[in-house]
Amino acid sequence: GAVVSQHPSRVICKSGTSVKIECRSLDFQATTMFWYRQFPKQSLMLMATSNEGSKATYEQGVEKDKFLINHASLTLSTLTVTSAHPEDSSFYICSATGRPNNEQFFGPGTRLTVL
Amino acid sequence: AQSVSQHNHHVILSEAASLELGCNYSYGGTVNLFWYVQYPGQHLQLLLKYFSGDPLVKGIKGFEAEFIKSKFSFNLRKPSVQWSDTAEYFCAVNGDSNYQLIWGAGTKLIIKP
Repeated sequence: GAVVSQHPSRVICKSGTSVKIECRSLDFQATTMFWYRQFPKQSLMLMATSNEGSKATYEQGVEKDKFLINHASLTLSTLTVTSAHPEDSSFYICSATGRPNNEQFFGPGTRLTVL
Repeated sequence: AQSVSQHNHHVILSEAASLELGCNYSYGGTVNLFWYVQYPGQHLQLLLKYFSGDPLVKGIKGFEAEFIKSKFSFNLRKPSVQWSDTAEYFCAVNGDSNYQLIWGAGTKLIIKP
């Protein structure tokens, strides 16, 4: 299947700093990328949907000014957690789909720890 | 409202036992159904999927699932589990016109050696 990578896999930062997470589709063009957050002992929560070249669509309750998403090319989407706080510590997962179809390919996730 | 319900949050089985994880969904229109697995310390992987055709789908590692439209169900099965099947299993659904996934809460499966 198609491959999606995320970088970094782990990041530790101080409270108040910003962190950028990259999501890349390595062997296909991703017209749509999704960003999820996974809380301990809970299911994935969709944060936002981003389509290449347009603004991301955020789910209710997700602060768009705090979680900046840029989908500048067909192979790259970035999530920037601005002014991170300890409660932002979580596992962030991206996925990508290359067609208006049904299957999403998932990245390995990024573990963010905010001290 | 669109939703996916997984019946059990935790399942503990012994090796060689048979497995069935329940998944029921509420979704308008034509559905596509998925089971994903997340092994400890690893990322999500697709176990199997149903788009159309034969409602009994076979996936990787001996897993299968049956789509029963009348029951809005897509239960995951494996006749004989192994210790290496210890993982978290997620059921998800989307539609032909909206490929955003709706997720179940997940089922943590622990296989005792």
